[in-house]
Amino acid sequence: GAVVSQHPSWVICKSGTSVKIECRSLDFQATTMFWYRQFPKQSLMLMATSNEGSKATYEQGVEKDKFLINHASLTLSTLTVTSAHPEDSSFYICSARDVRAYEQYFGPGTRLTVT
Amino acid sequence: TQLLEQSPQFLSIQEGENLTVYCNSSSVFSSLQWYRQEPGEGPVLLVTVVTGGEVKKLKRLTFQFGDARKDSSLHITAAQPGDTGLYLCAGAEATGANNLFFGTGTRLTVIP
Repeated sequence: GAVVSQHPSWVICKSGTSVKIECRSLDFQATTMFWYRQFPKQSLMLMATSNEGSKATYEQGVEKDKFLINHASLTLSTLTVTSAHPEDSSFYICSARDVRAYEQYFGPGTRLTVT
Repeated sequence: TQLLEQSPQFLSIQEGENLTVYCNSSSVFSSLQWYRQEPGEGPVLLVTVVTGGEVKKLKRLTFQFGDARKDSSLHITAAQPGDTGLYLCAGAEATGANNLFFGTGTRLTVIP
């Protein structure tokens, strides 16, 4: 149980285009999902907290107009990187918190490369 | 932002050796989790500790939560190459709190 999927697992796009990443909790409901960014050999950096049915809460320094988050249902959150630039290239990981427990369960990550 | 410092940052040991990874903070956490992450994958939850002084064992891994709930340790006995990965601790400030604060990470390499 407690499986979180992400799609796509990797994506290459051209500078200036937008990319959407999906995060799904497959066997549990998650009122809250989280989006992280991870640079090579570093720990996870929280970007935003996504709440079902309401606006996402962004961490300081994260541009909400650039990283659009939508949490349309209890099992799906999406992150759209708008007008992507090479510096947005990174490993993006989502997690979902089971409403009944403490733990967060992570997706397998999406590697974004902007050329 | 709460800071969780992990030490060591990097650790390279021979197969069969023992090791301990530390996770320290000046803040009190209601629960603390340990994850292991392999390259190109998301972190996988290993354990959650919630009570000060709690010790949990997972095969060759022993996790301890400090009495004051500010620190934790992960001890691996007889390390194997399959233990190689990035180990992350993460703390929740309050019961039911959404945010997890992640530690700085410890990259472990076990040499066959």
